[in-house]
Amino acid sequence: DTEVTQTPKHLVMGMTNKKSLKCEQHMGHRAMYWYKQKAKKPPELMFVYSYEKLSINESVPSRFSPECPNSSLLNLHLHALQPEDSALYLCASSHLLQETQYFGPGTRLLVL
Amino acid sequence: SQQGEEDPQALSIQEGENATMNCSYKTSINNLQWYRQNSGRGLVHLILIRSNEREKHSGRLRVTLDTSKKSSSLLITASRAADTASYFCATGLIQGAQKLVFGQGTRLTINP
Repeated sequence: DTEVTQTPKHLVMGMTNKKSLKCEQHMGHRAMYWYKQKAKKPPELMFVYSYEKLSINESVPSRFSPECPNSSLLNLHLHALQPEDSALYLCASSHLLQETQYFGPGTRLLVL
Repeated sequence: SQQGEEDPQALSIQEGENATMNCSYKTSINNLQWYRQNSGRGLVHLILIRSNEREKHSGRLRVTLDTSKKSSSLLITASRAADTASYFCATGLIQGAQKLVFGQGTRLTINP
């Protein structure tokens, strides 16, 4: 199984809402990532988890809160987002850091 | 400044022709990877070339790496309409944080 799944596929939320994005992989990978991607731009790294510990936070605003409950799951909790946070949010995993990353299909988020 | 710069930003060719995309980077790397992204979807890993390798092939793909010039190229031979996508290079750096740094991408359009 080389699949990374993400739910939901689409999400519309208001600026006062709290929502969560979920990511799951069953490849035994110990590195997991959250990326944000705006239209016609490359993915922009947000967070890296290695062995379920947060190893990189790319100075992401605190309204984004990552969580890694176990080695297969990665969540991104969203609270008090701004319209400029609307983007495609991609999850990825890899066996080791800097090795091949497997991406999920993404969650397209719209903040109103 | 960006680690990875891709050239050209956009490329439009006829089906059956070859497509060449280039990636330049600034600092020493462990490996360089190429990914494809169809519109609004997740990224798909194409090929990884390590710093001690000069060329790799995978099906219709050929990747070269010139560490002295800090550049890589991706050649897609006998292009097909299904190759229409954005292509990103990503570098794993020797120094600094253990992560991949993505280039700006090349938007490839194959015309039938």
